[in-house]
Amino acid sequence: KAGVTQTPRYLIKTRGQQVTLSCSPISGHRSVSWYQQTPGQGLQFLFEYFSETQRNKGNFPGRFSGRQFSNSRSEMNVSTLELGDSALYLCASSLDQGLAFFGQGTRLTVV
Amino acid sequence: AQSVTQLDSQVPVFEEAPVELRCNYSSSVSVYLFWYVQYPNQGLQLLLKYLSGSTLVKGINGFEAEFNKSQTSFHLRKPSVHISDTAEYFCAVSPIGGSYIPTFGRGTSLIVHP
Repeated sequence: KAGVTQTPRYLIKTRGQQVTLSCSPISGHRSVSWYQQTPGQGLQFLFEYFSETQRNKGNFPGRFSGRQFSNSRSEMNVSTLELGDSALYLCASSLDQGLAFFGQGTRLTVV
Repeated sequence: AQSVTQLDSQVPVFEEAPVELRCNYSSSVSVYLFWYVQYPNQGLQLLLKYLSGSTLVKGINGFEAEFNKSQTSFHLRKPSVHISDTAEYFCAVSPIGGSYIPTFGRGTSLIVHP
């Protein structure tokens, strides 16, 4: 069974630009969550999608958005990038019982 | 709401020594408990989980953890560590019957010295 796939693995963007990250969950998993990981703040929950609907949302500004497609693949978008958005963005998929399987992450650097 | 406290930000230990990484949690509802490991520039990999049943849980790579409901703890242990165990370890809890969104601790950096 293929694991969670995140693309791209690395990204360098300029302040003010926007970026889209992609996540393909494990086959059969309908829940996809996104996390931001930074040395200062640790792992912070961004949002969760379930069956194409945003079911839970963390405490991030509206510049951070996401969506989920009918095949459960998910994308997250960050608009008007700031230097502080530099982080490892992790996607996790789950079937039930809180058991989350993580992708390898996308390392975003904003310059 | 839930919260997770990992009591040590860094734990240095010599190879083949035992190690314990501590995790305490707070929750108004019953929770599932997890330990994840993260190697540099990688995602999180599940080490072990407690869902129900025996409070002593065995995971991969020789790790085990014990759920103590009265002390709201879920400490991770390994009797003999290897250099390759050097990594960041995260404790997480997830509400039973809730949104399944895990809450993570800040992580403990395990550093194994030769």
